[in-house]
Amino acid sequence: GAVVSQHPSRVICKSGTSVKIECRSLDFQATTMFWYRQFPKQSLMLMATSNEGSKATYEQGVEKDKFLINHASLTLSTLTVTSAHPEDSSFYICSAREPGDYGYTFGSGTRLTVV
Amino acid sequence: AQSVTQPDIHITVSEGASLELRCNYSYGATPYLFWYVQSPGQGLQLLLKYFSGDTLVQGIKGFEAEFKRSQSSFNLRKPSVHWSDAAEYFCAVGARSGATNKLIFGTGTLLAVQP
Repeated sequence: GAVVSQHPSRVICKSGTSVKIECRSLDFQATTMFWYRQFPKQSLMLMATSNEGSKATYEQGVEKDKFLINHASLTLSTLTVTSAHPEDSSFYICSAREPGDYGYTFGSGTRLTVV
Repeated sequence: AQSVTQPDIHITVSEGASLELRCNYSYGATPYLFWYVQSPGQGLQLLLKYFSGDTLVQGIKGFEAEFKRSQSSFNLRKPSVHWSDAAEYFCAVGARSGATNKLIFGTGTLLAVQP
């Protein structure tokens, strides 16, 4: 079945630095990918929709300049958390829409800790 | 607006007992419905999905769900729970926003399994 690879699985960064998270569809082309944020013991909050070759669509309340999304190819979307602060610490998960069948495959998530 | 409600935040069942997790949705058209499972610190794994056709859907790991349009429900069931089923379960509805379909998640149900 469809596989989405997300890296890194864990990252610790210093406050004020930027960190990039990659989301790759391994065996299919994904024109649309999604980025979610999940707080402890809570549900997934959609941050943005990433479209190959065009600008990402951000959900209301998500800072575009803080969370930069690039979908440069049909198999890769990246999320860059810029000037990270401790409040950005969270679990970030990406997903990709599978072609044809109306389904979504999720990556394994990235635990970001900002110290 | 589209929404998903999972009324039970936390459920505990005994191993071998039957399980039913509730999910109610609000959507203006025929919904696409999903159940995902998440183990701690992991991404989401698809259990099953409903697009159309037979309203009783079979999934992986012995799970099934029944779409009831009249009740706006998509409850997840399993006849005999195994200790390895302990995890967080999310119901989601596929919504269309502009030209992009996105998933809206419920708040999740945390399942604990007693020996």
